[in-house]
Amino acid sequence: GENVGLHLPTLSVQEGDNSIINCAYSNSASDYFIWYKQESGKGPQFIIDIRSNMDKRQGQRVTVLLNKTVKHLSLQIAATQPGDSAVYFCAENNNAGNMLTFGGGTRLMVKP
Amino acid sequence: EPEVTQTPSHQVTQMGQEVILRCVPISNHLYFYWYRQILGQKVEFLVSFYNNEISEKSEIFDDQFSVERPDGSNFTLKIRSTKLEDSAMYFCASSPDRGGNEKLFFGSGTQLSVL
Repeated sequence: GENVGLHLPTLSVQEGDNSIINCAYSNSASDYFIWYKQESGKGPQFIIDIRSNMDKRQGQRVTVLLNKTVKHLSLQIAATQPGDSAVYFCAENNNAGNMLTFGGGTRLMVKP
Repeated sequence: EPEVTQTPSHQVTQMGQEVILRCVPISNHLYFYWYRQILGQKVEFLVSFYNNEISEKSEIFDDQFSVERPDGSNFTLKIRSTKLEDSAMYFCASSPDRGGNEKLFFGSGTQLSVL
C-alpha cells in the first residue's frame, strides 16, 4: 500500500507528543466508523471503531471522538512513537450493507 | 495472529489480458471483500461476497470483473480484459460478521500494473 504520489495532508509531530488526526464524513446515515492505519507496503490495519450511539471510545494509547452534529471524527494518539508513522484513514458504514467508504487519509510523520 | 494473505504481491500484465488475483481469507470468516486503491486516490469498495454469492458491488465492478470462491479457502478476483485504468493496488479483506458489527481484516494487497 505505498501511497507515493498521494497528495495527503501531513501531520508532523515530535516523538512523545500527542497527535490528533481529523476526518469529516458526509453521510449522516453512517452509524459505524473505523480508523485504519496503513504502513508502507501493507494493507489497512484496524485501529479502533465507534458506533454512532457513542461519542468517545478509548483503546490502548488511542481515542476516537465522534461529533455527529458536525459529522466529524478524530483520532487521538497519546505519546506518539516512531512506529506510529503511517497513513491514517477513517472509514464509515451506514449499516445498509457491507461497504466501507474511506476518507482520503492523513500522513503522520513522527520525528525522533 | 491469523491474517489475510494475497498473491501475487505484484502483477504486471498487458492491456487486454486476463488476470486473477488470489486471496486466502481468515479461516473462520464468512464475509469477503475486494477493495482497490488507485495511486493518488482513496481506497474504494469493489465487491462483497457471502454464502457463495455477491452481496453487494460498486459501480466499478462491471462485467469485466468477477469473483469466485473455488474451494473452502481461496477467494479470487478476475479481471477479464484489463485496461490501463485497472492499474491499482487491490486489497482483499474478510470479516467474521456483517460490516457494521465487525472490523474488516485486510491483506497486504496485490499491486496490478497494466501496460
